[in-house]
Amino acid sequence: QQNVQQSPESLIVPEGARTSLNCTFSDSASQYFWWYRQHSGKAPKALMSIFSNGEKEEGRFTIHLNKASLHFSLHIRDSQPSDSALYLCAVSMGNTGKLTFGDGTVLTVKP
Amino acid sequence: EAAVTQSPRSKVAVTGGKVTLSCHQTNNHDYMYWYRQDTGHGLRLIHYSYVADSTEKGDIPDGYKASRPSQENFSLILELASLSQTAVYFCASSDNNYAEQFFGPGTRLTVL
Repeated sequence: QQNVQQSPESLIVPEGARTSLNCTFSDSASQYFWWYRQHSGKAPKALMSIFSNGEKEEGRFTIHLNKASLHFSLHIRDSQPSDSALYLCAVSMGNTGKLTFGDGTVLTVKP
Repeated sequence: EAAVTQSPRSKVAVTGGKVTLSCHQTNNHDYMYWYRQDTGHGLRLIHYSYVADSTEKGDIPDGYKASRPSQENFSLILELASLSQTAVYFCASSDNNYAEQFFGPGTRLTVL
């Protein structure tokens, strides 16, 4: 069964900092990789996804995937207080749409 | 923006009682999912469905049943609620097996 681990568990950074969040997975046959963001008391919402090795940038957010290392990451440039949330990584095998989530990283951006 | 609604938004149930959580989507999505989230943790998949009148077991199906009577509606049933089922339950829908999942607002269930 897929095992997804996130690090760190929590992170406090100053406004304007670059933030890096990590996710490792166990099944090398995994096909789709997602980052979701969940503000306190709200529903999770998809932030970014990547389907092949490499890097993808959308605004202040960049996702890196290295399938051989069973690792992907999210980098946030110029972190804002509004980025404070629970960040969840998720992995899918692809055939059923089932997502396996990590336990999340709580990010706090201090003004 | 895709729309997924859940009812009730919160519920208090007694141990051993029956609980039904409902989910409705207006996105015309084929895939629907039920997850639970325990405080400070990620989401765990309970049941999912990719077509009406059919459901599949997720990673933690024990103690839960699911029903998908139409493309728009997906219910989660706890026949005998237990204390360990206290959690926030999220429903989600997606267009296909690799698309973004859109989540409902969640149902906070407390079993006493």
